[in-house]
Amino acid sequence: AAGVIQSPRHLIKEKRETATLKCYPIPRHDTVYWYQQGPGQDPQFLISFYEKMQSDKGSIPDRFSAQQFSDYHSELNMSSLELGDSALYFCASSLWTSGHNEQFFGPGTRLTVL
Amino acid sequence: EDQVTQSPEALRLQEGESSSLNCSYTVSGLRGLFWYRQDPGKGPEFLFTLYSAGEEKEKERLKATLTKKESFLHITAPKPEDSATYLCAVQGLGDKLIFGTGTRLQVFP
Repeated sequence: AAGVIQSPRHLIKEKRETATLKCYPIPRHDTVYWYQQGPGQDPQFLISFYEKMQSDKGSIPDRFSAQQFSDYHSELNMSSLELGDSALYFCASSLWTSGHNEQFFGPGTRLTVL
Repeated sequence: EDQVTQSPEALRLQEGESSSLNCSYTVSGLRGLFWYRQDPGKGPEFLFTLYSAGEEKEKERLKATLTKKESFLHITAPKPEDSATYLCAVQGLGDKLIFGTGTRLQVFP
């Protein structure tokens, strides 16, 4: 079965640079979620989109922004990168209209800020 | 405040030695409790969703149960390939999943 696709899988940036992470949800899924997982920590919710509209917001820094496009893929834009932004970034997707709340996660993008 | 606590933090089992992982939670308006398996450097893999107290679900050697305050993940006759971190998460009134810090399971042959 098709899964969530994330690109790139690995990204190395310098401090103060910008980064763009992409997420392609499972086909027919209409909701996308972004999470950040630091080393040895649990995933922390950043933001979610349903039908291209922001539906919920968590602990996402003002330096980060995200959007969902008409084909349901999503991009997380990160500016003025800091060392503390180094983490695994996961995208998850779900089908809101299914009535079930399962979120299926992608393989993640490992961001390293030097 | 919504919160999830998992215990133990780490668990070492001999192959075939059954055990249980605990997930205690407090949440406003539980919409679902989720169990995931995560291997190092990989994304969480969905295992189960439980929606109401008394519900149980099974998959191979795993069985998840739910009460009003906690959930258990029972592992029967585990194999080395069951070694992973098991994450519990709850969903309340918003979209976000609130995760516990996980239980690192190691199964030795």
